[in-house]
Amino acid sequence: AQSVTQLDSHVSVSEGTPVLLRCNYSSSYSPSLFWYVQHPNKGLQLLLKYTSAATLVKGINGFEAEFKKSETSFHLTKPSAHMSDAAEYFCVNTNAGKSTFGDGTTLTVKP
Amino acid sequence: DSGVTQTPKHLITATGQRVTLRCSPRSGDLSVYWYQQSLDQGLQFLIQYYNGEERAKGNILERFSAQQFPDLHSELNLSSLELGDSALYFCASTPGQGGPGNTIYFGEGSWLTVV
Repeated sequence: AQSVTQLDSHVSVSEGTPVLLRCNYSSSYSPSLFWYVQHPNKGLQLLLKYTSAATLVKGINGFEAEFKKSETSFHLTKPSAHMSDAAEYFCVNTNAGKSTFGDGTTLTVKP
Repeated sequence: DSGVTQTPKHLITATGQRVTLRCSPRSGDLSVYWYQQSLDQGLQFLIQYYNGEERAKGNILERFSAQQFPDLHSELNLSSLELGDSALYFCASTPGQGGPGNTIYFGEGSWLTVV
């Protein structure tokens, strides 16, 4: 069985400050973990993915995530938030054709 | 642009009716997935097809059915519609069967409103 828990349903940051979106996972197998972003009225766009190569994964738009097996975490970070980062973010665990989505974290960026 | 195309983008229909949502996967992708996103239940996996065959099943209601055609496009049929079926329905595709590391590419979604 696999699951994904996004620890914060809402995160609010000021523009130019760091972003941290937290994701914990559980998986019977070695996980394939993804972060997707969904802007209002849009589909889900891939930010980055972890597939057992490097534990620090760099994605688009300055985002990165670190896979920590000991903590079963895959937190998403960005050094400096931009207004355009305001969106909903989903952590996803994929195995054998089934994808388990977290409940999503809404990121608000204040000017 | 992910390369996954969904039609229609918006649909309003009455309770008890039936609708069909259409999806064209990325060129060359053999797997198609359907997801439902609603405010109260979040994003839920419905069903996956791989090269025309059902591959995995999630929380899909019996009133819903899907198929994947020889040209790899897929349709999701929703019947006896209820107010609670109002949601954003996403189609997604992957090149393979969805194993480890396969990136899932999402379409823009079809907004269904049942009135």
